[in-house]
Order: sequence, then C-alpha cells, then structure tokens
Amino acid sequence: DGGITQSPKYLFRKEGQNVTLSCEQNLNHDAMYWYRQDPGQGLRLIYYSQIVNDFQKGDIAEGYSVSREKKESFPLTVTSAQKNPTAFYLCASSTTGVGYGYTFGSGTRLTVV
Amino acid sequence: SQQGEEDPQALSIQEGENATMNCSYKTSINNLQWYRQNSGRGLVHLILIRSNEREKHSGRLRVTLDTSKKSSSLLITASRAADTASYFCATAGLKTSYDKVIFGPGTSLSVIP
Repeated sequence: DGGITQSPKYLFRKEGQNVTLSCEQNLNHDAMYWYRQDPGQGLRLIYYSQIVNDFQKGDIAEGYSVSREKKESFPLTVTSAQKNPTAFYLCASSTTGVGYGYTFGSGTRLTVV
Repeated sequence: SQQGEEDPQALSIQEGENATMNCSYKTSINNLQWYRQNSGRGLVHLILIRSNEREKHSGRLRVTLDTSKKSSSLLITASRAADTASYFCATAGLKTSYDKVIFGPGTSLSVIP
C-alpha cells in the first residue's frame, strides 16, 4: 500500500544535540513538506520541497535543516539552534500543482529532556 | 498571518446529531481543504473544494464554500463516536507558485455515545 512513513514515533533530545526525523513516501509525489504542530494550534510550515535537490524555507525554518537527495525521502534535522523544539512534527507529500490534497505521515513527537 | 480560522474551537454533541464547523479566511483562494486529525496522529484529507464550486459531498460529509463571505462550512451528518477528532480547514491562495496550504487552528469535536 502507498503511504508516507515517519520515524521514530517518539524522540527525546538532550540540550545541545542535533536530531534527525525521517520521512519516506512511496506515493511517487514530487512535493514534500514538514510542519510543526504545537498544542491547540494549527500547523506551521518549516520547509518544503517541490523537486529533488531543491527545497525552500517555510514560515519557521530557523533552527531546522532538510535535504532532498531522493524523491522518496525528506529528512528533517532539528539543530541545537532551535530553542524550543518540543513539538509534534508532521511530514506530508502531494502531487505538484495547486488543487491536490496532502497525504500526511503519522508524526514524530519530539521532547527535549 | 493566519489564513483560516475555524469556529467553534470546540464542539460537543450526542451521537446521531449533526455537527457543523465553520472556517473563515482573509484573502482570495484557489481551493479550500478540510482535514481530520485523531489524537496523536497525522492529518487525513477529507474534501477539497475549488473556488468555483459551492458545495461538495462525500459520504456523511457536506462542505459548502461562499467566496463572497470568504467562509466555508463542514457538516457531518448522523455523527458517530468515531468522528471524535480535530478538524482543520486549509487554504491554498491564488498567488502561491506552489501548492503550499495554510492551516487554521482547528475545531475539536467530541461525539458522546
């Protein structure tokens, strides 16, 4: 079955550490996205990529980095520069072009310890 | 700036009743989408309605769009306990060169058995 897989489901980060969240899709979608969700709030866009080897900053990119070396994969690194990283992170993918819905992964909950 | 705003923030109904959620937005859009999120999970795409459409149906879901009022509503008929979730509207603007969408803060729906 086609879908989008995020791992791990739960992640704990110590102060000063970088951590990487995985996102893999087998839907043959060109576009992929990373969103951050805080309690009681909507989703905020961190980074997006419309094509392999290209990505753009979203609304809250500071303290995060991404790569898009393969169509299927769009990993997100939360760096030590992100001062408040505790949140629920959601990866999504879609067909390129306006007018298509997003397919989401099941999310990664990151907690700073 | 936040594009979509759902209303109410929270809604509690009895099983079998209808649930109506509203979404207002500020600028012209290409399309509006509704998503469902169960607690601790990713979002699931429900319906996409284009700016030249006024109403769409999918099973027990009915979505309306009034571009003159910049608003949309999601109606869930004959609700079930399994409909308990958060519901988000998301808008794709006219000027976006890619299919980024902006999500509202969501409506939390509780269906009481």
